[in-house]
Amino acid sequence: KQEVTQIPAALSVPEGENLVLNCSFTDSAIYNLQWFRQDPGKGLTSLLLIQSSQREQTSGRLNASLDKSSGRSTLYIAASQPGDSATYLCAVRRTDSSYKLIFGSGTRLLVRP
Amino acid sequence: EAGVTQSPTHLIKTRGQQATLRCSPISGHTSVYWYQQALGLGLQFLLWYDEGEERNRGNFPPRFSGRQFPNYSSELNVNALELEDSALYLCASSLYWEGAEAFFGQGTRLTVV
Repeated sequence: KQEVTQIPAALSVPEGENLVLNCSFTDSAIYNLQWFRQDPGKGLTSLLLIQSSQREQTSGRLNASLDKSSGRSTLYIAASQPGDSATYLCAVRRTDSSYKLIFGSGTRLLVRP
Repeated sequence: EAGVTQSPTHLIKTRGQQATLRCSPISGHTSVYWYQQALGLGLQFLLWYDEGEERNRGNFPPRFSGRQFPNYSSELNVNALELEDSALYLCASSLYWEGAEAFFGQGTRLTVV
């Protein structure tokens, strides 16, 4: 059974800091891993998608890496801003016929001005 | 290009009633997924539809059902509502491909009183 864990559960940092969010998964048989952002009471915004054959993806101040063999992914946010405050979720898509995403419980980030 | 749209935004129902939630996928996407996000719980997979067929179902009772229409829009029906059905219901769409990126709507907040 695939399980996804995100550490830390919550993080509070001053504006301008570089930070790393962690995601681990128990089964390396995945098609891809996706990072999302969720603002309170809102839907999910896709940030980055990493296919199982890839090592990393970058978008602006965001960089995500994937080490499938060790079951780990990290999301690096450079020069954090108050507008980055949100919950960040990672999800893996299993290599079975279900195509469903298995989500971690998220990291709640607060960037203080 | 329009993203995934869900309606209504909020829905208040009485215990025992039925609720119908609607989702329009991104143009060109044939797959639609439904997830439940209850307070304090993570995102739980409900249903996956593609080309009008139910492809997979999560661990939810049969009173959670849905369908997908020829234009690939979808609706989720919840019968005999219970208080614990109160949650944010999220719809996602993607291409029918194992590596496809999933895009989510803003969700429907269902409150059962």
